[in-house]
Amino acid sequence: DQQVKQNSPSLSVQEGRISILNCDYTNSMFDYFLWYKKYPAEGPTFLISISSIKDKNEDGRFTVFLNKSAKHLSLHIVPSQPGDSAVYFCAARTETSGSRLTFGEGTQLTVNP
Amino acid sequence: NAGVMQNPRHLVRRRGQEARLRCSPMKGHSHVYWYRQLPEEGLKFMVYLQKENIIDESGMPKERFSAEFPKEGPSILRIQQVVRGDSAAYFCASSRSTAAWDTEAFFGQGTRLTVV
Repeated sequence: DQQVKQNSPSLSVQEGRISILNCDYTNSMFDYFLWYKKYPAEGPTFLISISSIKDKNEDGRFTVFLNKSAKHLSLHIVPSQPGDSAVYFCAARTETSGSRLTFGEGTQLTVNP
Repeated sequence: NAGVMQNPRHLVRRRGQEARLRCSPMKGHSHVYWYRQLPEEGLKFMVYLQKENIIDESGMPKERFSAEFPKEGPSILRIQQVVRGDSAAYFCASSRSTAAWDTEAFFGQGTRLTVV
């Protein structure tokens, strides 16, 4: 039962353009969402998060949008840079899951110079 | 302040052997989490430990897998009698308290286990 899904395995964009990575979830109990970035042969690193009481959170070039009614969130990167090329994971947790994050399958982003 | 240290980075085992994966949390962190990433999949929670205690092992297979976090030394994830399906990347994360994942939990670089 895949509760967090990232339906696009890969995304390719030009440098300077916007990257939009999507994530859907099925568990309505999820109340906190996170995006992680992962380079090859490294562990995931935290990027940005959003609480279910908000619909937008922005941090520099990164903005996460949450649409609770659609159970959908997206990560916008603008402008995209070649160094952003990595696998991006969406993750979620419930109020009671505490330590346990549920991850999506990941999207490989490639930013072309 | 070193980050979360996992070793070995790569581990090759023959079917039926034992695999031991080690995780040294960040200094001052007493909470450890193990996740597994199978090929082409996301990370899956396995187990959450505090010093000398298993808090949540609901993601751990019931057989062949065990984890510990002793009072002294690293956390160990042990896989007995490995099978090809155990081939995966195993990631450890640590935190100072119950994870506020965006502010205080950090992942190690992972151990890539290959069973031949």
